[in-house]
Amino acid sequence: SQTIHQWPATLVQPVGSPLSLECTVEGTSNPNLYWYRQAAGRGLQLLFYSVGIGQISSEVPQNLSASRPQDRQFILSSKKLLLSDSGFYLCAWSGGGSYTFGSGTRLTVV
Amino acid sequence: EDQVTQSPEALRLQEGESSSLNCSYTVSGLRGLFWYRQDPGKGPEFLFTLYSAGEEKEKERLKATLTKKESFLHITAPKPEDSATYLCAVFMNTGFQKLVFGTGTRLLVSP
Repeated sequence: SQTIHQWPATLVQPVGSPLSLECTVEGTSNPNLYWYRQAAGRGLQLLFYSVGIGQISSEVPQNLSASRPQDRQFILSSKKLLLSDSGFYLCAWSGGGSYTFGSGTRLTVV
Repeated sequence: EDQVTQSPEALRLQEGESSSLNCSYTVSGLRGLFWYRQDPGKGPEFLFTLYSAGEEKEKERLKATLTKKESFLHITAPKPEDSATYLCAVFMNTGFQKLVFGTGTRLLVSP
C-alpha cells in the first residue's frame, strides 16, 4: 500500500533562517506531488506541484521554492524565512484516483 | 473564478442527532469532488470521491451525495469521535493539478 511521510512534525525557526521540509512517498511510482499551506480559517492553498523529477510548477509567488530530486521525494525550501511563512504545510500525492495528504508540518517563524 | 463554499462554518450536535454538511461550488469543467476529515494538527484524511451527479457513497455513519451544484455529507447518529473539521475539494477536467478547497465545517458532537 502507498504511504506518505512528511517531517518534521513541528518546527520553530528564526526570521532569516533557511528552511527545508521533506516529503517522501512509498509504494507507488511517478506520483504527482504537491505542497500546500493551510492558514487558520482559510482553505488549503496549493503552493507547488510536480509531475516528475525536476518538474516543478509554482502556483503563487512567494518566498518559497520546491525541488524534486528523486521520483518519490519532494522538498520545500526557503533561503530566508519571513514571519509570514508561518503556517501548517502539507505534502500530498495523487495517483490512481486518490489524493492523499501527509501528516503536516507546523512551522512557526519567530 | 472557481469557488467552493462550505456551510455551516461550525456545527454543534448532540450525540445521536443527525445532520448534513453542505459543499456548494461554482467551477467550470467539474470532474469530481473529494471529502476529507481533518483532526486538529493533522493532515486531511480521505473519506470519499464522487464523480457524477446522483452518485452516493457511504462509510459507517457518513454518506456523501453529489448534485450538479453541490454535495452533502450526511452524518447519521453521530458520536463524539466524529468531531473534526470536514473539508470538500473539487477537481476539474484539467486534472488533479489543481484542487479547489472549501474552508471546512467544524463539527463538534457532544455526549
